[in-house]
Amino acid sequence: DSGVTQTPKHLITATGQRVTLRCSPRSGDLSVYWYQQSLDQGLQFLIQYYNGEERAKGNILERFSAQQFPDLHSELNLSSLELGDSALYFCASSVAPGAGNEQFFGPGTRLTVL
Amino acid sequence: AQSVTQPDIHITVSEGASLELRCNYSYGATPYLFWYVQSPGQGLQLLLKYFSGDTLVQGIKGFEAEFKRSQSSFNLRKPSVHWSDAAEYFCAVGAPGTASKLTFGTGTRLQVTL
Repeated sequence: DSGVTQTPKHLITATGQRVTLRCSPRSGDLSVYWYQQSLDQGLQFLIQYYNGEERAKGNILERFSAQQFPDLHSELNLSSLELGDSALYFCASSVAPGAGNEQFFGPGTRLTVL
Repeated sequence: AQSVTQPDIHITVSEGASLELRCNYSYGATPYLFWYVQSPGQGLQLLLKYFSGDTLVQGIKGFEAEFKRSQSSFNLRKPSVHWSDAAEYFCAVGAPGTASKLTFGTGTRLQVTL
């Protein structure tokens, strides 16, 4: 158990819908990262927050957005869902920004878009 | 831009045999290098990391990896594989400094036969 929690574990929805994935970082970690893992794209970095502020952006679609709240939990919002958005979405956390800080991964949320 | 190549998609070894998983990276200088393991239905767990110094690094679960600058490689090794090592293994690269993005390889799935 990494200490990072993600809800829900599974999500099944239809094309065009909007969903919210939630992540609670490890106690004491200020930085949160979101990754997408799909069969065709592999594991891709989406976005990072540090202490409530966006810190780094990767291959995140405009239909996707995220935020980190004052209590440090984070939410990833996916809208106008397409079949290709079906994937495993991971949240990770670290104590501080910078690749030298170990990122601890949550168990993921499996999103299926029908 | 940084990139990671894991040339082996799938490897099968017998329990007790030695293991080497290959990883090659592309980066302008010496990056931070990581190996993660993902068991079925689980998030990613850090096995080991290299930042600088001794090029042979020891990790958890009996794994080690060697950084070879001349070959831009960071191969993962284990002298004797256990059935519980069956999982997917990801090599990742990160840039030193405050940029936190990790770039992952496509992964190598390890199967262990008894």
